[in-house]
Amino acid sequence: EDKVVQSPLSLVVHEGDTVTLNCSYEVTNFRSLLWYKQEKKAPTFLFMLTSSGIEKKSGRLSSILDKKELFSILNITATQTGDSAIYLCAVYLIQGAQKLVFGQGTRLTINP
Amino acid sequence: NAGVTQTPKFQVLKTGQSMTLQCAQDMNHNSMYWYRQDPGMGLRLIYYSASEGTTDKGEVPNGYNVSRLNKREFSLRLESAAPSQTSVYFCASSTYSGGTQGTGELFFGEGSRLTVL
Repeated sequence: EDKVVQSPLSLVVHEGDTVTLNCSYEVTNFRSLLWYKQEKKAPTFLFMLTSSGIEKKSGRLSSILDKKELFSILNITATQTGDSAIYLCAVYLIQGAQKLVFGQGTRLTINP
Repeated sequence: NAGVTQTPKFQVLKTGQSMTLQCAQDMNHNSMYWYRQDPGMGLRLIYYSASEGTTDKGEVPNGYNVSRLNKREFSLRLESAAPSQTSVYFCASSTYSGGTQGTGELFFGEGSRLTVL
């Protein structure tokens, strides 16, 4: 059974802190790993990672994939209250049709 | 730029009632999906449609039916609602059109919160 596990499930930090969110997976037919941010409503796309060791960056957010150890991390530096959200990790499988398997999500709360 | 539009946004049903969630996308995407989101369980795929006229089961299809009415619209029907179907439902679409291509990026609607009493 394809499985994606995120940790921690919940994290509370102070503004300005750096956080690391983890995502591990056990799947067949891996194609890529994606990170989404979900604030109040719809998840929005952050990153797609297909190759090991290549960091993707967008402002204060960065992410990297390790295909040997089957995990990815999402780093957020100098956190702001606007970073408060649920962060979802998903693995994209090729199985005759595009399918994403999501992890449980990490609820991140940034306190001022 | 409407993107993916879902209706209704909120619905309360009694056990045994039926209802249909509607979804439409204006991005000319081939693939459409229905997910449910429950606390602590992330997003789970109910059904998906890789093209007009085709539908396939996801992880949790029991108790649901779908219809890909045309390229734009993909509806989800609960024939006899149960309290276990209380959830937030998301429709999504993607550019995936077959084979081994595709980015994996999904475009989500804003969700429909369903409560079954």
